[in-house]
This record gives sequence, structure tokens and C-alpha cells, in this order.
Amino acid sequence: GAVVSQHPSRVICKSGTSVKIECRSLDFQATTMFWYRQFPKQSLMLMATSNEGSKATYEQGVEKDKFLINHASLTLSTLTVTSAHPEDSSFYICSASNPQGGSYEQYFGPGTRLTVT
Amino acid sequence: GENVEQHPSTLSVQEGDSAVIKCTYSDSASNYFPWYKQELGKGPQLIIDIRSNVGEKKDQRIAVTLNKTAKHFSLHITETQPEDSAVYFCAARRSFGNEKLTFGTGTRLTIIP
Repeated sequence: GAVVSQHPSRVICKSGTSVKIECRSLDFQATTMFWYRQFPKQSLMLMATSNEGSKATYEQGVEKDKFLINHASLTLSTLTVTSAHPEDSSFYICSASNPQGGSYEQYFGPGTRLTVT
Repeated sequence: GENVEQHPSTLSVQEGDSAVIKCTYSDSASNYFPWYKQELGKGPQLIIDIRSNVGEKKDQRIAVTLNKTAKHFSLHITETQPEDSAVYFCAARRSFGNEKLTFGTGTRLTIIP
């Protein structure tokens, strides 16, 4: 299957600082990427849909000014958690939609564990 | 919007036996149903998917069935092995395009050696 990478895999930051997470589709071009948040033993919660070259679409209840999403190219989307607080600690996962063959299968990255101290 | 229910939430199966996980969806316009396997600390991995124009799809020990009339689909794993232990998520989507997936709540599958 298609490969999606995320960097970093783990990050610890101090409260009030900002953290950037990168999501890359390695062997396909993704016009659409998705950002999820996952709490322990829970399902994936969609935060936003990121389309290349346009503004992200945020789900209800997700603060767009806090979670900045940029999708500058067909293979890279970034999520920046601004002014992070301990309640932002979570597992963040991106996925990329593979348009090859019209399938639009979604492939997930390995996730980023964010800890805010 | 779409609502996906998944059962059971936990499932323990003796190694070598079969495991079945079931999902129901609410939106009759959904036509794409993937299944993901998530191991601890990792991202979900697409293991099989089915589109609404077929009723069953099989890939080695894994199969998925779809009943559009009843709006439910199931994952079947045969000859289970310890490495099948993970959390499995079903999902549904409205079209073949870039619309978002709606996920079930997950099933923690444990294979007992």
C-alpha cells in the first residue's frame, strides 16, 4: 500500500510553546489530507480536512487559530499546535487520500505523540 | 450525518479460530467501507475495503461482507494468529472522492495462544 510518514514521532514541549507536525505522502500525490486526534482507548476524532492550495476545513469544535494547518504541496501537510497546553497532549495522526485509479483510499501516518508539560 | 456502530468492543478468540466484527451504518448514501487495524502506539493500517457494488471481498485470511439493504458490513478473520491481536476500526464514506470517513468505535481483538 501507499506510505505516509509523520515527523516527529514523539515530542515534548513546554506549556505556551508551539509545535509543528509534518505529514508526507511518500509515493503518491495527495490532494487531500486529514488530521485526527486520538485519546487513549478511543476512536479517531477528525480535526480537519486539508486540501492542497486552499484553506483547511475544520470540524465543529476545533479551534482553527489553535490548530493551524498548511497544505503547501501535494505531498506535505503540516499541523501546528499553537500556545500548547497540557490538555493538548494527545496522539495526532494524519492520513492522505490516494487518488490513483479513482480509489481515494486513505492511508494513515504512524502518528505523533505530543506531551505538553 | 453518518453514524457507524461497531460491535463487539472487545473480542477474545482462541488461536486458529475465526473472529467476526460487525458494523452498521446509518447513511444509505455511503458506498465505501474500509477496515483498519491499529497496533499499540501506531497509526491505523488499511487491511481491506469494500465498495457498494459488491457483496463480499476476500484477501487471504481476511474477508469483508456487505449487506446494503440492512446497512451493515462485517470483517471476518479466519485461522487467527497472535499477530492479529490489535484494535480494528470500521469506517464508512459517502462517495469515492475525498469525503471524510466516519469511524466506528473500535474492537479490541485478543488472540489467545
